[in-house]
Amino acid sequence: SQQGEEDPQALSIQEGENATMNCSYKTSINNLQWYRQNSGRGLVHLILIRSNEREKHSGRLRVTLDTSKKSSSLLITASRAADTASYFCATDDVTGTASKLTFGTGTRLQVTL
Amino acid sequence: DTEVTQTPKHLVMGMTNKKSLKCEQHMGHRAMYWYKQKAKKPPELMFVYSYEKLSINESVPSRFSPECPNSSLLNLHLHALQPEDSALYLCASSPQAGTSYEQYFGPGTRLTVT
Repeated sequence: SQQGEEDPQALSIQEGENATMNCSYKTSINNLQWYRQNSGRGLVHLILIRSNEREKHSGRLRVTLDTSKKSSSLLITASRAADTASYFCATDDVTGTASKLTFGTGTRLQVTL
Repeated sequence: DTEVTQTPKHLVMGMTNKKSLKCEQHMGHRAMYWYKQKAKKPPELMFVYSYEKLSINESVPSRFSPECPNSSLLNLHLHALQPEDSALYLCASSPQAGTSYEQYFGPGTRLTVT
């Protein structure tokens, strides 16, 4: 299956520090998306990066994509307590159904004061 | 209005009950999704509707029956569920089906099957 593996599974940092989480996937993709989920709630879309893009920024978020290594990273700079959440990458699969996103295993981020 | 609403927020049902989950969006989106999420796991796709037609069914057991009565509404009818079906059920929508669109998620319905 295409499910991405995220690393680390859990990350605990102090407010103001940067947080980096990584996503690896198995097959070629068209698009990769990152989502945030606060505990037991719905997901919120963060960034979409296409396979021909290498880097995207949105506010304090920076996403990179390396299609040769089949991996992506999400960097959150100057973290805040409100960033505490689970973060998921989601990928499609050019060899499969183009309309379907498969979510990775997720990274649980804890930001402490 | 960029909100997807889901009702109820919580649902407890017995294995012989019939219940329905409801999802609504007024963003004019033409694709709607049902996901199932177990604790500390990622969401798993169940169904995709595109222009009110079922386009993807991820081999979901027939005790889950989706319905899209119009472009704003998505229902999930539940019948004869098992305790292992207890999970957070998430609805989402996007402008069109396809992975080049971001998905907007509702807050979910937490289902407990007793």
